[in-house]
Amino acid sequence: EADIYQTPRYLVIGTGKKITLECSQTMGHDKMYWYQQDPGMELHLIHYSYGVNSTEKGDLSSESTVSRIRTEHFPLTLESARPSHTSQYLCASSVLSPRGILDFGPGTRLLVL
Amino acid sequence: QKEVEQNSGPLSVPEGAIASLNCTYSDRGSQSFFWYRQYSGKSPELIMFIYSNGDKEDGRFTAQLNKASQYVSLLIRDSQPSDSATYLCAVHTGTASKLTFGTGTRLQVTL
Repeated sequence: EADIYQTPRYLVIGTGKKITLECSQTMGHDKMYWYQQDPGMELHLIHYSYGVNSTEKGDLSSESTVSRIRTEHFPLTLESARPSHTSQYLCASSVLSPRGILDFGPGTRLLVL
Repeated sequence: QKEVEQNSGPLSVPEGAIASLNCTYSDRGSQSFFWYRQYSGKSPELIMFIYSNGDKEDGRFTAQLNKASQYVSLLIRDSQPSDSATYLCAVHTGTASKLTFGTGTRLQVTL
């Protein structure tokens, strides 16, 4: 089982609140990712990082921000939550090569009321 | 046209049968191909990956790749009820260095 952790696992929060979803991995992987997945839909990449102090936006436009100050930690922040942010957020990590082999965390299910 | 297309299913097969899951992709520059399994309420986990044309076997699983037809498939032999899950096809394109997922095919293995 992959050593990648996400907290909280479930979050119900009101509109306008600031939230931070935590993701940590103990494998020393350089690459980390945040995906968003709605039920029955594909995974959409919202942010990724190739290493410390490196962050990039993914394919899906997102109002969230990320930081990568330490290799093992890749938190995602929503400054002002909205009902449209309700979704499942999956964190993943990988080695630089071979590409495409991801270890996923257990996910955070977010409900914004 | 979606970059990675899969039939959403559900694909229902009896226990012990062969399940065949298919995936097509649009970018001819795609270089590597992955199958992830996702149980309901869980996160995806890698089953197999394939880089070269032809077949790659791992236990009950066989991945097949045909780059000319832009087609990749996953065969599951001797299907078990525990194989019931959604199978996600993912394609990595080297030039853009990104991994694109399909919507997944839901497999149901019946007793």
